[in-house]
Amino acid sequence: DTGVSQDPRHKITKRGQNVTFRCDPISEHNRLYWYRQTLGQGPEFLTYFQNEAQLEKSRLLSDRFSAERPKGSFSTLEIQRTEQGDSAMYLCASSQPGTSGYNEQFFGPGTRLTVL
Amino acid sequence: DAKTTQPTSMDCAEGRAANLPCNHSTISGNEYVYWYRQIHSQGPQYIIHGLKNNETNEMASLIITEDRKSSTLILPHATLRDTAVYYCIVRVAGNTPLVFGKGTRLSVIA
Repeated sequence: DTGVSQDPRHKITKRGQNVTFRCDPISEHNRLYWYRQTLGQGPEFLTYFQNEAQLEKSRLLSDRFSAERPKGSFSTLEIQRTEQGDSAMYLCASSQPGTSGYNEQFFGPGTRLTVL
Repeated sequence: DAKTTQPTSMDCAEGRAANLPCNHSTISGNEYVYWYRQIHSQGPQYIIHGLKNNETNEMASLIITEDRKSSTLILPHATLRDTAVYYCIVRVAGNTPLVFGKGTRLSVIA
């Protein structure tokens, strides 16, 4: 399977703990996106990368959140001092490079975080 | 990005066409209409997009009104596997992040 993969698929943690999620995009996709989805809502954009450069961060990405893509391949999303409000599905997507037009975003299965 | 309005939920009989409407009355001339769907416990999946002409691919057809203020996604022969939340997104072309609303929950009934 050469789709977007995410690890872990499920994470249960206690409030105050740190968690880290990993996303492996489709090979040669230079754009990588992180979204968060809470129950009954559509996904909300968090941040995205072009290669290793972080191009944009949304206001949802508080200072407890940090994302990296050190070699322009996989990416990690870390949440420090987790709060119950961080409980959500964290989705990763990637897209091909392109000089024009639209390249669809391919989504991974997500990591479901539960903060107790 | 222009705002979209979609019904909260719809039902469709298996084998019949599913017609999912989307209103985007404030769409700008350079904004496209995109459709994604999300099957339960999976990430969203791209379906189709268009600017002003009707579009068709192996998954669906997209009909955009002449004034571009609304569109309809058509699944010609809905199956149980088409049960999902369908998102209509209006935005300019390019590979910037998507802005999802709440979408339409389509239930295909046997």
